[in-house]
Amino acid sequence: DQQVKQNSPSLSVQEGRISILNCDYTNSMFDYFLWYKKYPAEGPTFLISISSIKDKNEDGRFTVFLNKSAKHLSLHIVPSQPGDSAVYFCAAVPPNAGGTSYGKLTFGQGTILTVHP
Amino acid sequence: GAVVSQHPSRVICKSGTSVKIECRSLDFQATTMFWYRQFPKQSLMLMATSNEGSKATYEQGVEKDKFLINHASLTLSTLTVTSAHPEDSSFYICSATSLLRDTTIFETYEQYFGPGTRLTVT
Repeated sequence: DQQVKQNSPSLSVQEGRISILNCDYTNSMFDYFLWYKKYPAEGPTFLISISSIKDKNEDGRFTVFLNKSAKHLSLHIVPSQPGDSAVYFCAAVPPNAGGTSYGKLTFGQGTILTVHP
Repeated sequence: GAVVSQHPSRVICKSGTSVKIECRSLDFQATTMFWYRQFPKQSLMLMATSNEGSKATYEQGVEKDKFLINHASLTLSTLTVTSAHPEDSSFYICSATSLLRDTTIFETYEQYFGPGTRLTVT
C-alpha cells in the first residue's frame, strides 16, 4: 500500500525554466511533509518541508505547495539549474510519529529530474 | 547541518557470510536512527527504527533475525546482515535524528542521512 506516490518517474527541464515535481498521498492524517534530494550512491539531503497548517513554504529557489483537499503537494524549482539534476523524494510524517517513532518517514518512489544546459 | 557517516561504503561478501554496517552521527547525539534499503529505481524502504539503548522496531516483512540492529550509544548504530544471500544485495542507508535536537540544526521531523552502503552478495 503506497501511501505516498510520485507518479512521474522522470522529468526533463531546460536550464532556467521551472521544474515542478508532484506528490500525492492517501492518508489524510499526514501532518508534515518533506522533500529530499538524492544523488546516485549518496544518502538523501533535506531540501524543504511544510506543515499541514500551511499551504506554501518558500526557501530561495524552492517552493513547496500543499493542497490538503486534493492530498497533493508539489515542489517548484525556479530557475532550474543543471546542478539540480538528481532524484527527488517527497516524504510524509505518519500520524502518531512521536516519542520513539519521532522522525519516521514514509517516502514516495522518487522522480528523476534532469536539467539540460 | 548535522553529519552522518556510514562504513563501509561498499562491501562484497560471499553467500552465507555476515556483514556489519556502521552508522555514526558525528556531531550530534542521535537518539533515533533509521535503517533503509533501496532497490534500483525504487523508493527508500524503511526496515527498522532504532532507539538508543532499546530493541529496534522492525517494519512488517523485515526479518529481525536476519537484519540485526544494535544502537548501543547515542552516536553509533550497526546493522548486521546475517547469512547473506544474493537477494540481500542492495543499497542500505541509515539516517539519524534526535529528540535532543538543536533546533538551529534540525528542521521539524528532519533526519540526516548517511551516504549509504552498497552490499553485493556473490
